[in-house]
Parts: sequence; C-alpha cells; structure tokens
Amino acid sequence: EIVMTQSPATLSVSPGERATLSCRASQSISTSLAWYQQMPGQAPRLLIYGASTRATGIPARFSGSGSGTEFTLTISSLQSEDFAVYYCQQYNKWPPFTFGPGTKVAIK
Amino acid sequence: EVRLLESGGGLVQPGGSLRVSCEVSGITFSNYDMSWVRQAPGKGLQWLSGISGSGGKTYFADSVKGRFTISRDNSKNTLYLQMNSLRVEDTALYYCVLKGGSGNYYSAFDFWGQGTMVTVSS
Repeated sequence: EIVMTQSPATLSVSPGERATLSCRASQSISTSLAWYQQMPGQAPRLLIYGASTRATGIPARFSGSGSGTEFTLTISSLQSEDFAVYYCQQYNKWPPFTFGPGTKVAIK
Repeated sequence: EVRLLESGGGLVQPGGSLRVSCEVSGITFSNYDMSWVRQAPGKGLQWLSGISGSGGKTYFADSVKGRFTISRDNSKNTLYLQMNSLRVEDTALYYCVLKGGSGNYYSAFDFWGQGTMVTVSS
C-alpha cells in the first residue's frame, strides 16, 4: 500500500498571502496525484489531478507541481473561501486508493 | 450537472447491517467506475470500495473486506454499499464518489456526493 503524508498539519496564513502545501508518497506515483479541498461541513471537491491540471472551474490561483514522490499545492493569494482542509490522493497503484491526512489552512 | 445523492444512513447496533445507496444523475452512469469513501467524525478520508462501470470488477480495502459488498444497478443509475457485521469504528460519513476517465485506470475522483451518516452504537 502506498502511504501518503502531508505537511504541515496546519498552516496559518493571512488573506492575500501565498500558501504552500506539501504531499509525499512512500514510493513513486509518477504524476497520478490529486488534490481535494474540503470546506467545513461540505464534501471534498477535486481541485487538481495529474499533479498539475486544474479541474473544471478551479481558479488559476491554485496550482500543483511535482512528480515521483514529492508534490506541492500552491495557492497564490488566499481568499476567504480558501480556508479549508486540503487532501492529496494517489491513484497510481490501487487498490487501495490512499489519501494523505490533510493540511488545514487556517486564518492567521 | 452531475449529481450524486446518497441515502440510507442511520443508527445501527454493533453487529448489525445497513445498506446505503447513491443515485447518480447528469452523466452516463454505466461508463464510470464508482467508489465509496468514508470520513469518521473529525478525521480524514478513507477509501473503502470500488466497482467498475459494468459492475464486473469490485475492489475493497482490507478493513472492510468480507464485511462490505459493493454493487450497482445501471438501469437505475444507482450504486449500493451493503455493510454487515458493523463495528463502532465504522461510524462515519459515507461518500459516494465518481471516478473520472470513463474507466481509465489513472483517474481521480471527479465528483462527490454530500454523504450519508452511519452511526454504529448500542
């Protein structure tokens, strides 16, 4: 099973600032990496797939990068609606699909 | 617009059974693999089970293998999860998820339902 880790667990950022979230896989997953955003009380939604491709309707301030075992999600200028929990997920080798534990982006 | 609507959650005693359903609209349901993902209160996401578009292939996480069964009725655009021998630790919000790519192995979870809550308690 591929284990996904994320850092930091919590990121405190001021509105308008840049946020950088990290995700690591326990073995190479090429670019089979997705990022999901979960706002409080809501279901997760797909932000990024293929490590760097934005899903339909996702604003350009969200960008993803990386390949192999190291990945990054960057939010260039945080808006109020971006304060949420972000999960990475690998779909290179399944079952099982595996998720990271999440990074909470909180208001500083 | 793609919509996934779960139903069937509720309170069940340990050792009991429950079946949750997910009705999908706005897409050709039979073209897509589907999965169930759960989230315990205050915790992260855990993939449980998946099924191919035709229903011919099914997959399970070790934690539910032998206890949970996944199925689908493509004539009704509906996905099911039959849960037996339920444990307190199965208490969670259960999400129905549509995997993109029309059956492509390397695809993410494009669409999520709002979830149905399952509580296992005596």
